[in-house]
Amino acid sequence: GAVVSQHPSWVICKSGTSVKIECRSLDFQATTMFWYRQFPKQSLMLMATSNEGSKATYEQGVEKDKFLINHASLTLSTLTVTSAHPEDSSFYICSARRVSNQPQHFGDGTRLSIL
Amino acid sequence: AQSVTQLDSHVSVSEGTPVLLRCNYSSSYSPSLFWYVQHPNKGLQLLLKYTSAATLVKGINGFEAEFKKSETSFHLTKPSAHMSDAAEYFCVVSPNSGYSTLTFGKGTMLLVSP
Repeated sequence: GAVVSQHPSWVICKSGTSVKIECRSLDFQATTMFWYRQFPKQSLMLMATSNEGSKATYEQGVEKDKFLINHASLTLSTLTVTSAHPEDSSFYICSARRVSNQPQHFGDGTRLSIL
Repeated sequence: AQSVTQLDSHVSVSEGTPVLLRCNYSSSYSPSLFWYVQHPNKGLQLLLKYTSAATLVKGINGFEAEFKKSETSFHLTKPSAHMSDAAEYFCVVSPNSGYSTLTFGKGTMLLVSP
């Protein structure tokens, strides 16, 4: 149990376009979902935390107008990278958690490449 | 405040030999500690977790870790490495049992040679 699916797994797009990444909890309801960014050969950096039905909480230094997060249901959260530029290229990973005393379960990540 | 230090960026072992991945932590609380594994272009898989119960924690795939409060360490071990163990390993700390804020170490790449 506790499977988290992320889609797409890989996306390449032109500079200036917007890209949406989906994160779904397939077999459980996730009250909280997290979005991380990972640069090559580096650790995960938390970007934002989203609770179902409320606005996401962004970490310091993360532009909320650039990285739009929606958590409209207990099984789906989306991250939209707006007007993407090459510096936004990275590996984005989501995780989902049932309740606060349960561990996070991670998706397989999305590799975003902006040309 | 909390932090995690993984003492080795790379560890190389031969198949069949023991694995030791070192992790030291700092936390203002009684922390929860985790080890996650990441294979290339994949997300993170939980290997094991310590949440103030037994100090020796057994995880999946033959891995285990021992929580040593006096040394503020949570090293990951496995008696015999398999080729499939080659991956990036992350030590992670969270304040008490809240699982709310995960702080990741920088990772240790485990290389396994035949």
